[in-house]
Amino acid sequence: EIVLTQSPGTLSLSPGQRATLSCRASQSVSGSYLAWYQQKPGQAPRLLIYSTSTRATGIPDRFSGSGSGTDFTLTISRLEPEDSAVYYCQQYGYSLYTFGPGTKVDIK
Amino acid sequence: QLQLQESGPGLVKPSETLSLTCTVSGDSISSSIYYWGWTRQAPGKGLEWIGSIYYSGASYYNPSLKSRVTISVDTSRNQISLRMTSMTAADTGVYYCMRDRRTDGGNSVRMLDPWGQGMLVTVSS
Repeated sequence: EIVLTQSPGTLSLSPGQRATLSCRASQSVSGSYLAWYQQKPGQAPRLLIYSTSTRATGIPDRFSGSGSGTDFTLTISRLEPEDSAVYYCQQYGYSLYTFGPGTKVDIK
Repeated sequence: QLQLQESGPGLVKPSETLSLTCTVSGDSISSSIYYWGWTRQAPGKGLEWIGSIYYSGASYYNPSLKSRVTISVDTSRNQISLRMTSMTAADTGVYYCMRDRRTDGGNSVRMLDPWGQGMLVTVSS
């Protein structure tokens, strides 16, 4: 099983700032199988990015993804108050989806 | 617009079996590039994929839950179902139904989208 770790655990930033979220895998992950989700309190997760860097339908271009191998990054270029949420990375490997523990983004 | 709606009992006794249904509207569950599956989330915790099924019945499960889980599909009702046996307090959480897109070849992808609103299941006597 491929284990994902995310850092930092919590990110506290101001509107307009840039957020950089890291996702590290215990072994190499296919870039086609790496995705990011946003989850707000009381809501279901929402797909943001798939295949490492492709934005899902309706996702603003301030969200971007990059990376390869074992290191992947979600960047939010200009934080808005509604970006306050927990962000999860996800990979698919060995016929199994696994998720990272999440990064909480607080907008001050 | 695609919608997924989970339904079933919100309270299950320890050692009993959980049965949940996900009803899909706005798309056919028999679509050739999609699986349909379940993910759960314990209170205050992260996401755990349970398993996914194709309309033909082909299925994949999380090895950590495989011995207790069965996912089935009913194409006539456009539904999938989850059955989990020997429930304990550790199984308490929100259970989500979602579409599982799997394509291979040049545009290979694996992603879970969209998700239902989720159903809180509490295991308690």
